[in-house]
Amino acid sequence: EVQLVESGGGSVQPGGSLRLSCAASGFTFSSYAMSWVRQAPGKGLEWVSAISGSGDSTYYADSVKGRFTISRDNSKNTLYLQMNSLRAEDTAVYYCAKDVVVVTASYFEYWGQGTLVTVSS
Amino acid sequence: DIQMTQSPSSLPASVGDRVTITCQASQDISNYLNWYQQKPGKAPKLLIYDASYLETGVPSRFSGSGSGTDFTFTISSLQPEDIATYYCQQYDNLPLTFGGGTKVEIK
Repeated sequence: EVQLVESGGGSVQPGGSLRLSCAASGFTFSSYAMSWVRQAPGKGLEWVSAISGSGDSTYYADSVKGRFTISRDNSKNTLYLQMNSLRAEDTAVYYCAKDVVVVTASYFEYWGQGTLVTVSS
Repeated sequence: DIQMTQSPSSLPASVGDRVTITCQASQDISNYLNWYQQKPGKAPKLLIYDASYLETGVPSRFSGSGSGTDFTFTISSLQPEDIATYYCQQYDNLPLTFGGGTKVEIK
């Protein structure tokens, strides 16, 4: 059974940093691209970032480029999102999601339960 | 970026009704279009991929059609457990983009 479990969310002041983790199980982690998708309170879904199965290729939404870094440790079956220079508009539930392809980003057959990030002074 | 315009944003319907949601892309995306269902407090769930293919385990009352810029998602007979928000999503180009969502409610 595929499982994705996010952790690392919490409250942080504007300008602060946070690192999210997503522990994956039930599939060959390195064979699939992974993404982070976020949802601000009461709003729709926004794709944030993706990483290829090998970790060699990364992709970002313009809204987070230069501030967020996606990475993965295939030996630990874990996906990460390092978030720096956080802004109030980054407040959202962050989901990790398993793609169906290995290289880029397409669509997501499995999602984690989400972790809430709140950026406020 | 490719803009995805979903309509309506809210859809009151009765149990047993046929429900239709449309999604329009700002440019040709071929059939690179997916549909998700999200219930309150839960993660999205993939229902339809590549415009018309039903994800494994999804009831056959759900269907999708379209190509190019215009897509349709249909629930043939609305059930109480279908009350949720539905999103379309394109993957023709990065960044991946979602429609604004359609909240299906019981009339």
